[in-house]
Amino acid sequence: KQEVTQIPAALSVPEGENLVLNCSFTDSAIYNLQWFRQDPGKGLTSLLLIQSSQREQTSGRLNASLDKSSGRSTLYIAASQPGDSATYLCAVGPGANSKLTFGKGITLSVRP
Amino acid sequence: GAVVSQHPSRVICKSGTSVKIECRSLDFQATTMFWYRQFPKQSLMLMATSNEGSKATYEQGVEKDKFLINHASLTLSTLTVTSAHPEDSSFYICSAPDRDHGYTFGSGTRLTVV
Repeated sequence: KQEVTQIPAALSVPEGENLVLNCSFTDSAIYNLQWFRQDPGKGLTSLLLIQSSQREQTSGRLNASLDKSSGRSTLYIAASQPGDSATYLCAVGPGANSKLTFGKGITLSVRP
Repeated sequence: GAVVSQHPSRVICKSGTSVKIECRSLDFQATTMFWYRQFPKQSLMLMATSNEGSKATYEQGVEKDKFLINHASLTLSTLTVTSAHPEDSSFYICSAPDRDHGYTFGSGTRLTVV
């Protein structure tokens, strides 16, 4: 059974800091990995999607990497801003339209 | 990109009534829709998976007669909470996979049963 772990559960950093959020998964037979952010009381917003054949994806200040063999992914946020404060979730799926397995998320707080 | 429109965003209903939540895929065909609920400060809990034109598959412990799911077209899936009770108050979110964009989530529905 796939398990996804995100540690720590919460993180507080000063504005401007570069930071790395970690995600690990137990079964390397994944189809893709996706990073989301969730603001309080809102749905999930997709940040980056990494297919199993890819190593990384970039969007603006965000960069996500995937090491399938070791079961790890990282989300790098450059020059963090207070607007980045949210809960960040990673999720993996074994197939194209299959159920996702989520980590419990990392609640990030960026202090002005 | 792929967009899933979810309505209503908030609903308050009386105990014993039914509430319908709609999720529409706006610019892609959603052959599959996942329905989740989320309690405050907790993770998403998958309730059921619906596939267009067939019966939904419910997760263990989810009452299929209480949470009716219909996926009659490639762009619309609905969740009806029947005979709602206060313990059904929660945040409900839908999600559909798209080949190019991964999983797209609706904006969620806050249900309050009074």
